[in-house]
Amino acid sequence: DADVTQTPRNRITKTGKRIMLECSQTKGHDRMYWYRQDPGLGLRLIYYSFDVKDINKGEISDGYSVSRQAQAKFSLSLESAIPNQTALYFCATSDNRGPQPQHFGDGTRLSIL
Amino acid sequence: AQSVSQHNHHVILSEAASLELGCNYSYGGTVNLFWYVQYPGQHLQLLLKYFSGDPLVKGIKGFEAEFIKSKFSFNLRKPSVQWSDTAEYFCAVNAQGRDDKIIFGKGTRLHILP
Repeated sequence: DADVTQTPRNRITKTGKRIMLECSQTKGHDRMYWYRQDPGLGLRLIYYSFDVKDINKGEISDGYSVSRQAQAKFSLSLESAIPNQTALYFCATSDNRGPQPQHFGDGTRLSIL
Repeated sequence: AQSVSQHNHHVILSEAASLELGCNYSYGGTVNLFWYVQYPGQHLQLLLKYFSGDPLVKGIKGFEAEFIKSKFSFNLRKPSVQWSDTAEYFCAVNAQGRDDKIIFGKGTRLHILP
């Protein structure tokens, strides 16, 4: 089983819809992250959480929200999706030994029509 | 705020050629530096990291990187590439003591010809 599991793997939806991307991990890590990847732009941090009661905005948090339901679960929501949120989304985790994300999920490819 | 530049967007090499991918960062303080690799259709994996100490860092799969503080650089190298090194490579920086965010470069797509 994967250490970091993202669902769904692919999603196509319409502008204005609410979407939730789920992430769960079996690493027992406190830190979790949501990134989006766009061609030619690399990865950009959306939100991150260092424990269940800690939520922080990243570089591009506008239009997104998150919920850390448990140590193992960190979900990303798009309240009203727009086409420029079409991207590949990655969840990642890390332990407390450094700032870098260590384990990435396989990604969710999201298309907003 | 810190930022990362990867000047080579797309690199094409033949097998056995030597590789150097450039990475420059902008931040005046102490930094942590990273290289990640993303093989086609896969998620990112950490190749190597630099926190302190020896500026020449060795990572997995024969990769190494050298931190040159005076040049604000952390270039990735491999003496002899293989077809299986075809992937996208991302440099990333974290400002030590400032926050725990990592900023990624835009990536370099490496294509190795068999």
